[in-house]
Amino acid sequence: DAGVTQSPTHLIKTRGQQVTLRCSPKSGHDTVSWYQQALGQGPQFIFQYYEEEERQRGNFPDRFSGHQFPNYSSELNVNALLLGDSALYLCASRVWGMGGSYEQYFGPGTRLTVT
Amino acid sequence: TQLLEQSPQFLSIQEGENLTVYCNSSSVFSSLQWYRQEPGEGPVLLVTVVTGGEVKKLKRLTFQFGDARKDSSLHITAAQPGDTGLYLCAGAKDSNSGYALNFGKGTSLLVTP
Repeated sequence: DAGVTQSPTHLIKTRGQQVTLRCSPKSGHDTVSWYQQALGQGPQFIFQYYEEEERQRGNFPDRFSGHQFPNYSSELNVNALLLGDSALYLCASRVWGMGGSYEQYFGPGTRLTVT
Repeated sequence: TQLLEQSPQFLSIQEGENLTVYCNSSSVFSSLQWYRQEPGEGPVLLVTVVTGGEVKKLKRLTFQFGDARKDSSLHITAAQPGDTGLYLCAGAKDSNSGYALNFGKGTSLLVTP
C-alpha cells in the first residue's frame, strides 16, 4: 500500500516565478491538506481539499491556491514567489482512525528554494 | 502563531537515559497527535490521543493527554540512538476547523551511544 507521494522532491525557483507542487494521497483517503514547514519551525496549515473543493484555509495569502482532482490527488500553486516562501511543503491525507479521531499521514515533502 | 508550545526545544542525552517532552496550550483540542520527523522527510505519525487523561504506550514511548485536553507529554524510557529526531505534537480542534492540525515547533532529540 503506497503512502502519500509528492513531486518533485526538490525545486529551485527565482523570486516572482510561479510553482506547482503535486500530491497523491494514500489509497482510500479522500481529503488532502497542505502544510508549509519553514526551517526550524513546525508545519503550518495552508488549506484542505475535499470533494474537489477548498474546505478550510489557514492564514496564507491568495498567492497560495490549490486544486483537487476526481482521483483525490492535489496540486498546490504558489504565484509571485517570495524569498520567504522557501520551505518544505508537506501534503497529508487523512482517515478516521479506530481511536475515534482523524489521523493524518504525511508525504516526504517538496523542498522549495526561492532565490 | 503556534498554538502549541513544546519544551524543551533541544535535548541531547546518552543512550539508556529517560526523557520527557512537553506540549502545552491554552486551547482545548479534540485530539492530539505526536509525530517524529527525520531531516528532509515528512512527519511520521506515532500516536493519537483523544480522551482527557488518556495514556498510551508504544514500546518504550508513553504518551499522556491532559485531563483538560490542553496539554500532552511524551516519555521515552531507556533512549536509543534510533530515537534521534524531531518530535512534533499537533492538536486538532473540531469539525468547524476541518480538524486541521496545529503544530508545535518541535523538540529536537539527539541520543548518543
